[in-house]
Amino acid sequence: DQQVKQNSPSLSVQEGRISILNCDYTNSMFDYFLWYKKYPAEGPTFLISISSIKDKNEDGRFTVFLNKSAKHLSLHIVPSQPGDSAVYFCAASAFGNRDDKIIFGKGTRLHILP
Amino acid sequence: NAGVTQTPKFQVLKTGQSMTLQCAQDMNHNSMYWYRQDPGMGLRLIYYSASEGTTDKGEVPNGYNVSRLNKREFSLRLESAAPSQTSVYFCASRRDRGTGYTFGSGTRLTVV
Repeated sequence: DQQVKQNSPSLSVQEGRISILNCDYTNSMFDYFLWYKKYPAEGPTFLISISSIKDKNEDGRFTVFLNKSAKHLSLHIVPSQPGDSAVYFCAASAFGNRDDKIIFGKGTRLHILP
Repeated sequence: NAGVTQTPKFQVLKTGQSMTLQCAQDMNHNSMYWYRQDPGMGLRLIYYSASEGTTDKGEVPNGYNVSRLNKREFSLRLESAAPSQTSVYFCASRRDRGTGYTFGSGTRLTVV
C-alpha cells in the first residue's frame, strides 16, 4: 500500500527547458511534503518543502506546487541544468501524528539532455 | 560540521554472519532513522528512534535490531545476514517534526 506515489520512474528533459516531476499521495493526514535529490553513491539531500497550509513554495529555480484536493504535488525546475540530473524523491509526513516518520516515494530519475 | 556519519561505507558479508552499522550525528537532533534503498523500491524505513531511549519499527524491520546508544548514535544490527539484505543503507536524523531529514552518505552492503 503505497502512500506516496511517483508514477514516472524516469524523465528526460532538454537543458534550459522546464522539468516537472509529479507525486501523488493517498493519506489525507499528510501535512508536510518534501523533495529530496540524490546523486549516485551519495545520501539524499533536502531540496524544498511545503506545508499543507500553502499551495506553492519557491526557492530559486525550484518551485513546489501542492493541490490538496487532488492529493497531488509537483516539483518544477526552471531552467533545467546538467547538474539537475539525479533521482528525485517525493516525501510526506503527518505533523500531527504521534509517529515521526517521513514516507518516501520510489523516486524519479531525471536526465537533463545537452 | 560532519552532519550524519555512517560507517562502514562498504561491507561484504557471508550469509549468516552478523554485523553492526554505525551512525552518529553531531547536530543535536532528536530523531534518528534507518532506511534501505533498493532498485525500484525507493527508500523504505527499517527502524526509527523519535528520541533518546525509544525505538520503533518501520516498514521493513524483520531481520534487524537497533540501539539508540545516546542522543548522537543509532546503530543497526544484522544478527544473521541474508542475501535479501543486500542493499544500500542510509541513516538520517531530524531535529523535530516539521523539519526534513539530514542523511548520511550510506553503507553499501552485499550479502553473498
